[in-house]
Amino acid sequence: SQQGEEDPQALSIQEGENATMNCSYKTSINNLQWYRQNSGRGLVHLILIRSNEREKHSGRLRVTLDTSKKSSSLLITASRAADTASYFCAGGVGAQKLVFGQGTRLTINP
Amino acid sequence: EAQVTQNPRYLITVTGKKLTVTCSQNMNHEYMSWYRQDPGLGLRQIYYSMNVEVTDKGDVPEGYKVSRKEKRNFPLILESPSPNQTSLYFCASSLRWGVSEAFFGQGTRLTVV
Repeated sequence: SQQGEEDPQALSIQEGENATMNCSYKTSINNLQWYRQNSGRGLVHLILIRSNEREKHSGRLRVTLDTSKKSSSLLITASRAADTASYFCAGGVGAQKLVFGQGTRLTINP
Repeated sequence: EAQVTQNPRYLITVTGKKLTVTCSQNMNHEYMSWYRQDPGLGLRQIYYSMNVEVTDKGDVPEGYKVSRKEKRNFPLILESPSPNQTSLYFCASSLRWGVSEAFFGQGTRLTVV
């Protein structure tokens, strides 16, 4: 069953702007991970935030996690054309499951 | 280079003809998993394996088989493929599934006619 719900489903912005994607989940998680997928290719891990963390940074990425609201957000600052991709959140559940949302399709316009 | 390798990348087959999609990882990960990705449905887990000879069903296991005879390999077997198994398939591995990052293969696009 799908656990993560992402919002928006699609986002189109101008190069240089910031992009924010949101993810909500239903059950308890060990961590929340974000992945990027370029069209039809494999997923690439971006960042992992543990359930006891509230915010994490990696380069131009900023992730927040609110376990009370069961939600996370991914902020990409100063977007570039190369950031055009689909972005997925995934909740780590127990020791066997990584449950993905349906993704946000991000388009960066030059 | 750390990687997960799937083969083939593209496959068109006919209904009922058995096929195997291979998956190999070079990171000595104990955990491996198969997902399928369909428009509007996202990624759904088919099977996973926590170690050699240990496999278990994911959310959509019907019509699939797996085996884990060696740590590095985790093939996906479709004994009698049907058109509803047309999809994009991904193999992934992780040091500790759901706890550490997962590494994904490049995908296998399967069409069953």
